Parts: sequence; structure tokens; C-alpha cells
Amino acid sequence: AQTVTQSQPEMSVQEAETVTLSCTYDTSESDYYLFWYKQPPSRQMILVIRQEAYKQQNATENRFSVNFQKAAKSFSLKISDSQLGDAAMYFCAYRRDDKIIFGKGTRLHILP
Amino acid sequence: NAGVMQNPRHLVRRRGQEARLRCSPMKGHSHVYWYRQLPEEGLKFMVYLQKENIIDESGMPKERFSAEFPKEGPSILRIQQVVRGDSAAYFCASSPREARGQPQHFGDGTRLSIL
Repeated sequence: AQTVTQSQPEMSVQEAETVTLSCTYDTSESDYYLFWYKQPPSRQMILVIRQEAYKQQNATENRFSVNFQKAAKSFSLKISDSQLGDAAMYFCAYRRDDKIIFGKGTRLHILP
Repeated sequence: NAGVMQNPRHLVRRRGQEARLRCSPMKGHSHVYWYRQLPEEGLKFMVYLQKENIIDESGMPKERFSAEFPKEGPSILRIQQVVRGDSAAYFCASSPREARGQPQHFGDGTRLSIL
């Protein structure tokens, strides 16, 4: 069975600094998709970034980038130039077929 | 271009009552997914539906819970005889027909509180 593990329940970062959120997953599949979702206090689920497992190049979206290590089954999220609006729960997620499997989340605090 | 619409945003029920949660997918999306989020937890998959078909209900409790996605109208998640443990946020997501690998687009969720 696939599992997604986020080992950092909470993290803090100074505004304008860089922070990396960790995620590991377990799967026997070779073709799958990985996502990071953001859930602010409003509790919406917002897609931050998406990575296809068959692509070696790490995905990037503005200040957000990932470090995808397929052999190690690691998918970390780097947030550069952190802003107050980045404060939220961040969920790492895996998708092979139809269902998405989420980690338990990392709560990110931004310190002004 | 409206996103996934869920209603109500908040629902309060007493133990033993029924809860009905509605989800209208994004325009052009024919796949609907329901997830449950308990406090301080990630989202857990419940059920996947296409129009008039349940494709995967492996995450849904066998008793009291049911879901449908009729030919016309929104998808409905129904919880009968609610108990305190059903208190959670219920999220609906949708994706297009040829959706493999595409991200699911989430609604804002329904927060269910059981008194």
C-alpha cells in the first residue's frame, strides 16, 4: 500500500528566508504523480506544485520548487523568499490512479 | 469559470439525524471524489464516482455512509444516524474525464459538526 510521510509536524521560518518541507513516500509503482497542497486558515485546498515521476527535472512554480529524488522516494518542497501569506498547512500527496493519498501535513509559521 | 462548489459550508446536526453534503464539480468534469479531514489530520479518501457509477468506495465506512452522482444534479454524500465521530471537514474534488495524473480540484469543504 502506498503511504506518504511528513516527518515535520511544524516548522517556522523568518520572513524572506528559505524553508524546506520534507516528504517521503512508499510505492512499488514506477509511474505516478506527486503534489504539494497548501491549506491556509480558510481551509481551502490549494495546489502548489505538481511533479510527474517519469520526469527527472524538478518542478518549479515561482518561489516554490521541489527536490524530487525518485530512488530515495523523497519529494521535498522549497519555499524561497517566504511571505506572511505562505503561513498554512502543507500537505504532500501521491497519486497513482484515481485516489490521492495525503500525508499528515506540516504547519508552517512565518515569523515577521 | 466556477470551481468545485460545495454546500453547505457549515452543517450542524444532532446525533441520530441525517447529514447531506452536496458537491457540484467544475464545468466539464465528470469525476468526483470525496475526502474526509479529521482535526489536525490530512485528507483521507472516501469514494470516487463518475456519473451514475461508484468506481471506488474503498475508503467509505460500510454503514451509515452512502454517495451518489446522478445523471443530473450534484454529487451527494449522505451520512445517516450521525454520531460525534462524524464531525469533520468533508472535501469534494473533481477532475476531467481523461484525468490520469491531473490534479484534482478541491471545493472549499463542508464542516460538519455533531452536537
